[in-house]
Amino acid sequence: EAGVVQSPRYKIIEKKQPVAFWCNPISGHNTLYWYRQNLGQGPELLIRYENEEAVDDSQLPKDRFSAERLKGVDSTLKIQPAELGDSAVYLCASSSWREETQYFGPGTRLLVL
Amino acid sequence: QKEVEQDPGPLSVPEGAIVSLNCTYSNSAFQYFMWYRQYSRKGPELLMYTYSSGNKEDGRFTAQVDKSSKYISLFIRDSQPSDSATYLCAMGGITGFQKLVFGTGTRLLVSP
Repeated sequence: EAGVVQSPRYKIIEKKQPVAFWCNPISGHNTLYWYRQNLGQGPELLIRYENEEAVDDSQLPKDRFSAERLKGVDSTLKIQPAELGDSAVYLCASSSWREETQYFGPGTRLLVL
Repeated sequence: QKEVEQDPGPLSVPEGAIVSLNCTYSNSAFQYFMWYRQYSRKGPELLMYTYSSGNKEDGRFTAQVDKSSKYISLFIRDSQPSDSATYLCAMGGITGFQKLVFGTGTRLLVSP
């Protein structure tokens, strides 16, 4: 079974530019998460989706970050405009009601210059 | 004070050693206690989890939860160089495993 797929794996942009990350969760997983992991830190939740509904976006910086999960499958996380402090690894995870665990993708490593 | 505290390490041990990794927490509502392993440039993968208190063993790995002390541990027996990774503790409360608070991770280096 394929795991969580994320692309791109690496992205380098200049500050003030927009950037988007894509995630394809494990088939059948209705819950999707976006995390940000800063260097030397643990992942921090940005947003959680149940199917296509964002049920927890309290930690999402809404002035510059947006996310969508059309049709309750794939998801895109966007930053516009990017700032130097946005340099981090952006992780996507998914889970299903059958298992009490989250499965993580490999992440997108973002560097903002 | 962070809800979950974890020593970042690095922790260096020789192959075959017993490794002890620990986290403390402040939120008494936590009921789910998990350990994730993260290799360099990879996403975290779940190693073990415990609901509420007690011990759980899986092969060379043992997880312990002491809710009275707000302290959890992961023990690795007969450590191998392939165990070299960052180990993240994660905790969830009444909302379950879907809202986790992660520690900073402890980097473990096992030398041959």
